[in-house]
Amino acid sequence: LAKTTQPISMDSYEGQEVNITCSHNNIATNDYITWYQQFPSQGPRFIIQGYKTKVTNEVASLFIPADRKSSTLSLPRVSLSDTAVYYCLVGSTPMNYGGSQGNLIFGKGTKLSVKP
Amino acid sequence: EAGVTQSPTHLIKTRGQQVTLRCSPISGHTSVYWYQQALGLGLQFLLWYDEGEERNRGNFPPRFSGRQFPNYSSELNVNALELEDSALYLCASSSGQGNTEAFFGQGTRLTVV
Repeated sequence: LAKTTQPISMDSYEGQEVNITCSHNNIATNDYITWYQQFPSQGPRFIIQGYKTKVTNEVASLFIPADRKSSTLSLPRVSLSDTAVYYCLVGSTPMNYGGSQGNLIFGKGTKLSVKP
Repeated sequence: EAGVTQSPTHLIKTRGQQVTLRCSPISGHTSVYWYQQALGLGLQFLLWYDEGEERNRGNFPPRFSGRQFPNYSSELNVNALELEDSALYLCASSSGQGNTEAFFGQGTRLTVV
């Protein structure tokens, strides 16, 4: 199972762009990279997912270099409501897809604090 | 479209009792995941079911068990409750079609006294 490493915490101010980087050195060929956001006492919410290069949606962008050993979640112009824990996951289901026998294993995540 | 639903939302149990938590996945999803999240801590993976089979379990004692029904809904059973079992129990579902986009329920807050 591909292990991920993220910063434990980050601070930012309203209106700034925030970039959170995740390392996943042993990512498998069929693995996807997925980011989730979690507010206290709520279940995580899917933000974005990608396989390679760049993916953008209405919430965030995900940058993945060619070697796929890391990825960066970019949140444009954060607001106070973006204060949350952000999780990076690597894996695929089901196992016969040849991925890292993935299921949704969450690491410790990055606690983002946005200040006024 | 209904999201992932969990029941009950809250419950209080006494140490030594047994509890059953329920989860209904999004229609069409075959994979169900269970997690435990103690207050202020991370998500601890408990169980993964897909197509009615247990695919993987986390590092939890055997008194944590579950099952998935033919309609893909799932139950999590915890026997001989201990105080440290107090936590938010989250269920998630996914299509199991080769990616890890999952949808979470709002959770069941279990308090063991």
